[in-house]
Amino acid sequence: DAGVIQSPRHEVTEMGQEVTLRCKPISGHNSLFWYRQTMMRGLELLIYFNNNVPIDDSGMPEDRFSAKMPNASFSTLKIQPSEPRDSAVYFCASSLLAGREQFFGPGTRLTVL
Amino acid sequence: GESVGLHLPTLSVQEGDNSIINCAYSNSASDYFIWYKQESGKGPQFIIDIRSNMDKRQGQRVTVLLNKTVKHLSLQIAATQPGDSAVYFCAENSGGSNYKLTFGKGTLLTVNP
Repeated sequence: DAGVIQSPRHEVTEMGQEVTLRCKPISGHNSLFWYRQTMMRGLELLIYFNNNVPIDDSGMPEDRFSAKMPNASFSTLKIQPSEPRDSAVYFCASSLLAGREQFFGPGTRLTVL
Repeated sequence: GESVGLHLPTLSVQEGDNSIINCAYSNSASDYFIWYKQESGKGPQFIIDIRSNMDKRQGQRVTVLLNKTVKHLSLQIAATQPGDSAVYFCAENSGGSNYKLTFGKGTLLTVNP
């Protein structure tokens, strides 16, 4: 079975540009999480969706970040405008049951110049 | 808020030796714990989990021990192999309606051939 799918795997962009990261969760999983990972902060939860509805976006750094989940098989994380400090690896994870095992995608390594 | 932390940020072992990675947690209400392995360039991968009603659980070459009295979690890897080299994270969930996994900072395990 396919795991969590993320695209692109790598993204290099210039400051001020819009960045869109994509995620396809594991089929049947009703919980989806977006994380950001940096050396300084480790894994940070950005937003959590349950049944396609955003439940907790308190981890979203600022208004430049937005996330959507139009259906059960697709989610996006958008940064506009991007800044160098947004450079990190962004992970999408899904789980069958919230609070239990989460399955992570391979991540998107974002570099903002 | 309460958080999960690791005693040892790095651990270096010889191939064939047993490894022990430790994790301290502070939330006494946590009732579910997971160990993840993250190899370079990849997303965290589930290794093993344990519920608070257990103090030991074994998998293939791995054992997780939970000491609720001192709020301590450990991951034991038997006959460590070069392929075990990775960053290991513990994560906790406080149960109930809490959907969040709180991750520790991670321990880098290096296996020397």
